Amino acid sequence: SYDLTQPPSVSVSPGQTATVTCSGDGLGDKYTCWYQQKPGQSPVLVIYQDYKRPSGIPERFSGSISGNTATLTISGTQAIDEADYYCQAWDSSTAVVFGGGTKVTVL
Amino acid sequence: EVQLVESGGGLVQPGGSLRLSCAASGFPFSAYGMTWVRQAPGKGLQWVSSTGGSGGGTYYAASVMGRFTISRDNLKNTLYLEMNSLRAEDTAIYYCAKDVRRSTGYYQPRSGFDIWGQGTMVAVSS
Repeated sequence: SYDLTQPPSVSVSPGQTATVTCSGDGLGDKYTCWYQQKPGQSPVLVIYQDYKRPSGIPERFSGSISGNTATLTISGTQAIDEADYYCQAWDSSTAVVFGGGTKVTVL
Repeated sequence: EVQLVESGGGLVQPGGSLRLSCAASGFPFSAYGMTWVRQAPGKGLQWVSSTGGSGGGTYYAASVMGRFTISRDNLKNTLYLEMNSLRAEDTAIYYCAKDVRRSTGYYQPRSGFDIWGQGTMVAVSS
């Protein structure tokens, strides 16, 4: 099976930059997307195809890929960005795979 | 407005069956692949199944293969998930989601899901 690994938690001060990583074998050859989920709400797509932002997603959210690691960057983090973030990719053997999720805390 | 509304969840005994529905509106339903994702209480997102628009391509997670069946009625703009032989570990909120890109040819859910429903709760317990 194919696995995506995320850190369980990331802490950031308001106005600073938060980075969330997602690692998986050969991830650079696949598309990675990112979801934000706040308590009691449905997930929201914030990045797709590695770096593209859906309409309505603030520019402070960006995505990148380097080797086997994808990164979600939140620049100028705000209190409203506190949430769980999940990466997701497609693998031909396992189909759709989600990472375990990262709780971003804005201190 | 693009919208997905799930229904059909509830409490069912182990070994029982349930059919979930997801009513879509605001976009050309048949042109998009659709997916079911679940989330057990306090846990992360888990992919369940995906199906293409009209060009084929259906996929299942190993944990539900042979027990769950995904289908769609493009005339009714509705996605379904037939769940049989339910187990306690199937207890979760079930979300339907729309692919971010139009499905062309044989479907592979490579790009992500941009619209999600509010979810419907399935509880499997005696």
